[in-house]
Amino acid sequence: DAKTTQPTSMDCAEGRAANLPCNHSTISGNEYVYWYRQIHSQGPQYIIHGLKNNETNEMASLIITEDRKSSTLILPHATLRDTAVYYCIVRRGYNNNDMRFGAGTRLTVKP
Amino acid sequence: DVKVTQSSRYLVKRTGEKVFLECVQDMDHENMFWYRQDPGLGLRLIYFSYDVKMKEKGDIPEGYSVSREKKERFSLILESASTNQTSMYLCASGLPYEQYFGPGTRLTVT
Repeated sequence: DAKTTQPTSMDCAEGRAANLPCNHSTISGNEYVYWYRQIHSQGPQYIIHGLKNNETNEMASLIITEDRKSSTLILPHATLRDTAVYYCIVRRGYNNNDMRFGAGTRLTVKP
Repeated sequence: DVKVTQSSRYLVKRTGEKVFLECVQDMDHENMFWYRQDPGLGLRLIYFSYDVKMKEKGDIPEGYSVSREKKERFSLILESASTNQTSMYLCASGLPYEQYFGPGTRLTVT
């Protein structure tokens, strides 16, 4: 699976958009980009995933560059409850279930 | 809502004890997973299972075994617990594109 690089930590003001970057320059054609987050003392939670096109759901938007070497997770109006570690994961194919979690980005939303 | 439950939130065991960590999911998922999470190392996959009685090794299976006798239940077994197995253990079940995690079991081996 492709490696990902994320900043160790980021801050965001409450109510503003949080933009979390992820580099995955060695991604191959059949690899998807996934985002999970882990709030303190809880298990990770799925957020969103995509292959080529930008994706949006009720939690977030995922913007994937045209060359697919990087992506950005956008939380449009961050709240204090969005404070968590965010993991960007790249994995093979649609049916391969083994996720590989890296260190992630610790996002702190401040009042 | 999908529910993944783990038998204990906190567990303290002695070195050499046999330890069972239980995980139950209520969504009829075929796929279930066991991870451990340690500071600075992130989540690491121990074992996973695609079906009843089927299991596959993950990245760090040494010192662990698993059992999947029923679809909804996936057990992680530490045959002889050691202090380096002190960790947070997370169970997950899932669809091909989404995993649901339990709350975790913090195991301390003394």
